[in-house]
Amino acid sequence: TQLLEQSPQFLSIQEGENLTVYCNSSSVFSSLQWYRQEPGEGPVLLVTVVTGGEVKKLKRLTFQFGDARKDSSLHITAAQPGDTGLYLCAGCFGNEKLTFGTGTRLTIIP
Amino acid sequence: EPEVTQTPSHQVTQMGQEVILRCVPISNHLYFYWYRQILGQKVEFLVSFYNNEISEKSEIFDDQFSVERPDGSNFTLKIRSTKLEDSAMYFCASSAARANTGELFFGEGSRLTVL
Repeated sequence: TQLLEQSPQFLSIQEGENLTVYCNSSSVFSSLQWYRQEPGEGPVLLVTVVTGGEVKKLKRLTFQFGDARKDSSLHITAAQPGDTGLYLCAGCFGNEKLTFGTGTRLTIIP
Repeated sequence: EPEVTQTPSHQVTQMGQEVILRCVPISNHLYFYWYRQILGQKVEFLVSFYNNEISEKSEIFDDQFSVERPDGSNFTLKIRSTKLEDSAMYFCASSAARANTGELFFGEGSRLTVL
């Protein structure tokens, strides 16, 4: 059974600060996706990374895929209250299903 | 922007009753999925569906569950005899390509409460 560990589980920081959240597995991903989920809603895709070492930027969000394709990070620069939410990583291990992590619940304090 | 739509948004049912959850995937997508999320827990894969057949299913997806694409637009999840532990948010997702290369788009979910 492939497991994805996300850390930290909870993070609360002041507006304007930078932060990084992590997603780790003991298995190699064929691809990894980051989602954001609001309460009572479905996950919304932020980015997909496929190649080891890949870095993708989405405005103030920077996503990095580890060289060995076992880990990923999401870095947010100058966090804003609108960034508050549950961030989920989800990995594909060469089959049809996405395995989700437990998520990082991020709170940005104005 | 195209989106995955799900109905009902919330269903309350008695234990032992049959439930059908409906989804309309994005129109040009070929791969369809059901996931569920028990309150406070992580999103879990149930089943994937491609070319009118199940391509993969999890241990959760036992004989009480079935999926169907009856008319080329709807994608349904049926639970034959609901149990208390089936209470969860059920998410439908669709993708233009396989999960390991494509991007999954999720619906807003159907909340199932089994009493």
